[in-house]
Amino acid sequence: AQSVSQHNHHVILSEAASLELGCNYSYGGTVNLFWYVQYPGQHLQLLLKYFSGDPLVKGIKGFEAEFIKSKFSFNLRKPSVQWSDTAEYFCAVLLDFGNEKLTFGTGTRLTIIP
Amino acid sequence: ETGVTQSPTHLIKTRGQQVTLRCSSQSGHNTVSWYQQALGQGPQFIFQYYREEENGRGNFPPRFSGLQFPNYSSELNVNALELDDSALYLCASSQGGAAYEQYFGPGTRLTVT
Repeated sequence: AQSVSQHNHHVILSEAASLELGCNYSYGGTVNLFWYVQYPGQHLQLLLKYFSGDPLVKGIKGFEAEFIKSKFSFNLRKPSVQWSDTAEYFCAVLLDFGNEKLTFGTGTRLTIIP
Repeated sequence: ETGVTQSPTHLIKTRGQQVTLRCSSQSGHNTVSWYQQALGQGPQFIFQYYREEENGRGNFPPRFSGLQFPNYSSELNVNALELDDSALYLCASSQGGAAYEQYFGPGTRLTVT
């Protein structure tokens, strides 16, 4: 069965710092990858997704993620974080189309200090 | 702002009881997925309904069942509640399967005592 690991449970950064949140998955076949975000008091929402093609995908609010197949990784990055990026971030993996079981990681809580 | 709504917001039940949670999908969405999120964990996929049929199921026992109605709203039913069923239950709607962007509701917090 596929699984998703997010090794950073809580990350604290100052504004303008660069961000990289790790995500690794365990599955040898074709995968579809997602990052979802939950801002304080709001619902989970999609940040970005990768299905195929360019392994560097761009999402909302200046976030991007790079799919590295050889490392089974899909790390989330942002060059300069803002206080408003404080949120919980979840990586998720979906096996190829037809399998509806979206598997989430345990999440990373990001706190940005002004 | 997402159009997915869930009711009730909070619920307290006793072990062995049954519970029904409800979800109204966003307008134009024909697919509803249900997730269980325990404290400190990510959402775990329970099952998905597409056009009133179950269309995928996670590793949950049969006492977790669901329905989807012609207007695409959905119910999650849990029988014989156990203490470990205490969690936040999330509903998400989309225009297709899980590969499509899922719009999540606020969740129902279930406490089993």
